[in-house]
Amino acid sequence: AQSVTQLGSHVSVSEGALVLLRCNYSSSVPPYLFWYVQYPNQGLQLLLKYTSAATLVKGINGFEAEFKKSETSFHLTKPSAHMSDAAEYFCAVSGSPPGTYKYIFGTGTRLKVLA
Amino acid sequence: NAGVTQTPKFQVLKTGQSMTLQCAQDMNHEYMSWYRQDPGMGLRLIHYSVGAGITDQGEVPNGYNVSRSTTEDFPLRLLSAAPSQTSVYFCASSPRATGTDTQYFGPGTRLTVL
Repeated sequence: AQSVTQLGSHVSVSEGALVLLRCNYSSSVPPYLFWYVQYPNQGLQLLLKYTSAATLVKGINGFEAEFKKSETSFHLTKPSAHMSDAAEYFCAVSGSPPGTYKYIFGTGTRLKVLA
Repeated sequence: NAGVTQTPKFQVLKTGQSMTLQCAQDMNHEYMSWYRQDPGMGLRLIHYSVGAGITDQGEVPNGYNVSRSTTEDFPLRLLSAAPSQTSVYFCASSPRATGTDTQYFGPGTRLTVL
């Protein structure tokens, strides 16, 4: 069964520092992978997704993620954190096995940005 | 487009009561799903639908029923509420049932079961 693991339930970075949020997936075949962001008291919105095209995926708000099959990883990065990036981030997987339409989410990482 | 709408925003139930959480989308999306969000557990899939008349179970389906009689609506029914069902519930939809599409989320329903 497909699953994702997000290392670190809380991450703190200084404003202007690199953001790195980790996501590893477990899947028998290359899956589809997503990163979503949730601001307080809101629903989730898509940051970016990997659907078997380019392995380096660029998303909104300066975020990007790289699909690494050898490491079964899809880590989210941003070169310079901004105060407005403070939110909870979720990695999700779908499409494994083929024909699976379930989206499975990780447990989330709450990002805190320090002034 | 209103997107994905959910009602009510907040609800308090007593143990054993039943209720229906409403979800509607006006984007003609094929795929709809229900999740519950609990602290430290992320979002867990309850039920999903790949089209009108077709539903299937997710990771945590026990205690919940769904139906999809129209493309637009996907209500979630709690048969006999339990305190363990206290959670925030999100409905989501995506254009196609392929697993590759972006999901669009509603604003959520915060449910407390006493």
